Amino acid sequence: EAGVVQSPRYKIIEKKQPVAFWCNPISGHNTLYWYRQNLGQGPELLIRYENEEAVDDSQLPKDRFSAERLKGVDSTLKIQPAELGDSAVYLCASSLAFRGRTETQYFGPGTRLLVL
Amino acid sequence: AQRVTQPEKLLSVFKGAPVELKCNYSYSGSPELFWYVQYSRQRLQLLLRHISRESIKGFTADLNKGETSFHLKKPFAQEEDSAMYYCALRDAYSGAGSYQLTFGKGTKLSVIP
Repeated sequence: EAGVVQSPRYKIIEKKQPVAFWCNPISGHNTLYWYRQNLGQGPELLIRYENEEAVDDSQLPKDRFSAERLKGVDSTLKIQPAELGDSAVYLCASSLAFRGRTETQYFGPGTRLLVL
Repeated sequence: AQRVTQPEKLLSVFKGAPVELKCNYSYSGSPELFWYVQYSRQRLQLLLRHISRESIKGFTADLNKGETSFHLKKPFAQEEDSAMYYCALRDAYSGAGSYQLTFGKGTKLSVIP
């Protein structure tokens, strides 16, 4: 089991450029989360999906951030245009919810973004 | 609003000494508390959750609702315990489905040989 897969692992871009991150959750997991982790901080939720529906995107900066989860499996998080303050680690997590139970969130390795 | 506070950024202990990583929370509802750990060059992973009431890798944590704390403890630290530890909270009654985790800023534990 590969676990949650993210790519790229590292990305360096200049400010005002676009960037996209990709996440493949654990097979069968119907819920998916994107977190942002700034240096010296804990992860903070950006958006969470149940299947293909975004059920909470209240903390996603919608002027420049967008996300999609087509077919309820893989997900892409995009920033356009990137700003210096977007430098952070972007984490994807997934979990399985069924029959009234909510299971543990499993995290990917993250994408480390540096905006110059 | 949910808030998780980990007052120590760094905690250094000698091998064999007891360890206590502090976590305090603020939440008006009924919380479920977790400890996540991130070893060097590895991904964030669940260490334990309070509803399980189990000991993982010698670590235990008890939810104290009166003091709104969920401190992580281990009687004898090992070198392999060196890692970043994050305390996290969710609403226990958010139901089945996805849920939001609120994390603390983390404590780096360094076990000195």
